[in-house]
Amino acid sequence: DIQMTQSPSSLSASIGDRVTITCQASQGISNYLNWYQQKPGKAPKLLIYDSSNLQRGVPSRFSAGGFGTEFSFTITSLQPEDFATYYCQHYDSLMVTFGGGTKVEMK
Amino acid sequence: QLHLQESGPGLVKPSQTLSLTCTVSGGSIDGGDDFWGWIRQPPGKGLTWIGSVNYGGRAYYTPSLRSRVAISVDKSKNEFSLRLTSVTAADTAVYFCARHPGRHYSGNNYYGADFDFWGQGTLVTVSS
Repeated sequence: DIQMTQSPSSLSASIGDRVTITCQASQGISNYLNWYQQKPGKAPKLLIYDSSNLQRGVPSRFSAGGFGTEFSFTITSLQPEDFATYYCQHYDSLMVTFGGGTKVEMK
Repeated sequence: QLHLQESGPGLVKPSQTLSLTCTVSGGSIDGGDDFWGWIRQPPGKGLTWIGSVNYGGRAYYTPSLRSRVAISVDKSKNEFSLRLTSVTAADTAVYFCARHPGRHYSGNNYYGADFDFWGQGTLVTVSS
């Protein structure tokens, strides 16, 4: 099974900060990698699909990229509504795997 | 705009079967290559995919639950369902249903990629 290792598991940041989260696959996964935001008590929200494509309606301060085993997700200027937990998610024909999550908290 | 809503018992006894239904509105479940998936989240923990099914009934599941889980679709009601047998306290979680667009092509079949529309989630507690 492919393992998805997300880091850090949590981080503290201030409004306006640049925030970067990484997701590492245990073997090459092409660009089969998506990113979600989840706020407490809510369902996850798709932000990025296929490594780098911004989902419709998602602000452009969110971006991501990567291929193979190394992926990154960036918020260029953190806004108050961005404090949440972020998950990466890999898919293939056998399996769907989520990363462990990164909680972004206010410093 | 697609809307998904989970329904089912919030409390299930150990060793019994957990059954949930996801009703889809604002669109047809018979949507081309789309899959429809279930994801769960134990309290305070991360997300785990359970499995997904397409409108034709072709399903695939996470290996750790494969022996206990079945996901089916009812096109006439525009809904899909989850059955998880022999539950234990470890199955206590918020259960989400979601659309799983069939954009991943492999071996002459399509498979789900991202999860773009989600239900609000329903908490299922396993306890006697």
